[in-house]
Amino acid sequence: NAGVTQTPKFQVLKTGQSMTLQCAQDMNHEYMSWYRQDPGMGLRLIHYSVGAGITDQGEVPNGYNVSRSTTEDFPLRLLSAAPSQTSVYFCASSYSAEGSGNTIYFGEGSWLTVV
Amino acid sequence: TQLLEQSPQFLSIQEGENLTVYCNSSSVFSSLQWYRQEPGEGPVLLVTVVTGGEVKKLKRLTFQFGDARKDSSLHITAAQPGDTGLYLCAGAHEEYGNKLVFGAGTILRVKS
Repeated sequence: NAGVTQTPKFQVLKTGQSMTLQCAQDMNHEYMSWYRQDPGMGLRLIHYSVGAGITDQGEVPNGYNVSRSTTEDFPLRLLSAAPSQTSVYFCASSYSAEGSGNTIYFGEGSWLTVV
Repeated sequence: TQLLEQSPQFLSIQEGENLTVYCNSSSVFSSLQWYRQEPGEGPVLLVTVVTGGEVKKLKRLTFQFGDARKDSSLHITAAQPGDTGLYLCAGAHEEYGNKLVFGAGTILRVKS
């Protein structure tokens, strides 16, 4: 079972460059989300989607865009990378809303460094 | 300031010892989850607790949700090197649309 697949695993960007982190899930989950993980701060929600065509902002959305054209895919776009966006990014999916107690499945993470 | 405060931040113990990790808040959560994360991987769900006072056991791990649903604890009995990892608590909070809020985590190292 593939579960949640993120690419790339590692990326180095120069300040001002743009890029897209890809996320795909094969579990037919409606709910998908993106988190960033920084030392001492846990995981913080960037954007989430409750279904194809529907996205919303999380706790730290600035500098990021998302779209959800299909149930399977939920890419995260960095529009103009800044050093403050250096972090580990996790994509996650679940059958329904995260707070409902459903099991959330995380990808393996994408390590992004902005220089 | 974290909505969910985890303690301790770091814990290094010998194999066979017992330990408890705490997750505290001044807010009430509708449910609380515990995750374990190993280096280079994403978090993996261990348990979900939803009822105040609820206790769940997973082999050597015991999870408890406080009566007021503001805090939780994870107790590991006879820790093994395989328990090493980052333990995260996450709560669903009405003020955040019931989306999960994560604590900063507790790094556990169990030495053989």
